[in-house]
Amino acid sequence: NAGVMQNPRHLVRRRGQEARLRCSPMKGHSHVYWYRQLPEEGLKFMVYLQKENIIDESGMPKERFSAEFPKEGPSILRIQQVVRGDSAAYFCASSLQEYNEQFFGPGTRLTVL
Amino acid sequence: AQSVTQPDIHITVSEGASLELRCNYSYGATPYLFWYVQSPGQGLQLLLKYFSGDTLVQGIKGFEAEFKRSQSSFNLRKPSVHWSDAAEYFCAVSEYSGAGSYQLTFGKGTKLSVIP
Repeated sequence: NAGVMQNPRHLVRRRGQEARLRCSPMKGHSHVYWYRQLPEEGLKFMVYLQKENIIDESGMPKERFSAEFPKEGPSILRIQQVVRGDSAAYFCASSLQEYNEQFFGPGTRLTVL
Repeated sequence: AQSVTQPDIHITVSEGASLELRCNYSYGATPYLFWYVQSPGQGLQLLLKYFSGDTLVQGIKGFEAEFKRSQSSFNLRKPSVHWSDAAEYFCAVSEYSGAGSYQLTFGKGTKLSVIP
């Protein structure tokens, strides 16, 4: 049973470009969470989605960041006009039910030049 | 708002020695508690979880943790550490956010080094 898949594993972007991060949850899981890991700040919640719905985006920056989880295909975290401060590891997690344990993917490490 | 404190940033132990990693949380109700481990450049692997019931929970790789409500603690233990246990360990609390999610709140992590 495949775990949570994320791609790309590493992504390099120049300031002002767009970054698109993908996450495929574990088979049978329809609940997806995105977290960001910044040096010195630790892991912080960004957004929680179910299929076709954003449920909680209270941790998402108000500008430039968006997320989706379409009926078909992976969940996407999109960062427009990236800045150096966006450099971080972005982790996706999935769960069977919203209150169950979350299983994490390997992460995407974004570097903004 | 809930918070998680891991007071030890870095711990070094000898291989074969026992280990205890501390975790304290602040939360009004009975929390859902977790320990995750992260190797360098990797994702987080779930070691164990506490939802309810027996306050001593067993996890993978020989780890266990004890929930102590009176001390608001959920310390992770292992009786004999192996070199492969060197990694960073995160304690986390899950709480219903009110906005519809059971988001995790993480501690800052404890980095474990193992001396051969």
